[in-house]
Amino acid sequence: SQQGEEDPQALSIQEGENATMNCSYKTSINNLQWYRQNSGRGLVHLILIRSNEREKHSGRLRVTLDTSKKSSSLLITASRAADTASYFCATDRNFNKFYFGSGTKLNVKP
Amino acid sequence: DTEVTQTPKHLVMGMTNKKSLKCEQHMGHRAMYWYKQKAKKPPELMFVYSYEKLSINESVPSRFSPECPNSSLLNLHLHALQPEDSALYLCASSQGLRGPPETEAFFGQGTRLTVV
Repeated sequence: SQQGEEDPQALSIQEGENATMNCSYKTSINNLQWYRQNSGRGLVHLILIRSNEREKHSGRLRVTLDTSKKSSSLLITASRAADTASYFCATDRNFNKFYFGSGTKLNVKP
Repeated sequence: DTEVTQTPKHLVMGMTNKKSLKCEQHMGHRAMYWYKQKAKKPPELMFVYSYEKLSINESVPSRFSPECPNSSLLNLHLHALQPEDSALYLCASSQGLRGPPETEAFFGQGTRLTVV
């Protein structure tokens, strides 16, 4: 990808379990964002973490950022079938220049 | 209104055709983007317009020609495409501030393009 890698590439869990996705990137960043994409259509923004932040929460989402390792993780707690989607991290390197990681396809089984 | 509207939703075109993809937003955003997404791949940045000026071209072939007629509209003109250009083309916009606070990008639903 233009930006880096995510792992795992695919993740299958049961409803109620937690899902963790990891993102690695290559360059220095201003912020890192996570997006969700259903069925190959538009992307929806989930959460933004700035380069001087280490952890951020939003509802069932928890994001961490380690700029020394150039990595981030997204944790979705108490997953639901409706969380089934592809998840992408995106780095914003120089304000308004978003590059996406390779993505994780999450399947939450009811 | 937090929508980015893309038309058409689907497009089939021959390799000798000329067509255009359109994108519109009314959020007052000053940055607009074109991304290309192949199946099972992440979106790849193609072009960025900032304050109606082309600020980034990620080495995109000249058969793709972007245009930003005004701050609400973004077009992508297509000419002499190849079958490998078949993909989902996504438009996005963001506030476009040149500094903090950072903001997210809003995406349209995309145009699924098939080149035959």
